[in-house]
Amino acid sequence: GNSVTQMEGPVTLSEEAFLTINCTYTATGYPSLFWYVQYPGEGLQLLLKATKADDKGSNKGFEATYRKETTSFHLEKGSVQVSDSAVYFCALKITGNQFYFGTGTSLTVIP
Amino acid sequence: DGGITQSPKYLFRKEGQNVTLSCEQNLNHDAMYWYRQDPGQGLRLIYYSQIVNDFQKGDIAEGYSVSREKKESFPLTVTSAQKNPTAFYLCASKASGRTADTQYFGPGTRLTVL
Repeated sequence: GNSVTQMEGPVTLSEEAFLTINCTYTATGYPSLFWYVQYPGEGLQLLLKATKADDKGSNKGFEATYRKETTSFHLEKGSVQVSDSAVYFCALKITGNQFYFGTGTSLTVIP
Repeated sequence: DGGITQSPKYLFRKEGQNVTLSCEQNLNHDAMYWYRQDPGQGLRLIYYSQIVNDFQKGDIAEGYSVSREKKESFPLTVTSAQKNPTAFYLCASKASGRTADTQYFGPGTRLTVL
């Protein structure tokens, strides 16, 4: 079947620290991969995406590379800020219109 | 401004009452979705619709119902058969086509059953 497994949180980092949130997936076919971010009390916003193997998605200093050989799409940022505190969701989409989400990883950045 | 609106933001109901959550989009998207989010859990798909007058059950459809009479609107009814309805409900939409693979989310409705 199709599923997404992401690193459990919560994650707490100091400002300017390096961030990695792991995400691996299981999928039939060739999925598109996404990272979404959710700020408290709000809906999800697309952070970045990649649609084929070796693509790198990037936005607001965040990056993730679609690794088919390891079925992974890890999220990274070189220097986090307090404003990056949120919940991050990894997701995949296969052909058709159905999406599969991970359980979310809560990130808190302290000054 | 194009986007997805959900109303109300907070909703309180007594146990045993049906309640309908609104979701409207002006993005001209064909596909619409309802998800449920519980603390510490990911998003679970309740229902989705790929086109007007058509919808499919997701993973946790029991106790919920939907309609899709207009392209812009996809209301969700939480019925009294839903055993634990208190949760955060998110609506999303997506354009059609193979290259249209991004979902856009509304701000959510937090339902509390007293």
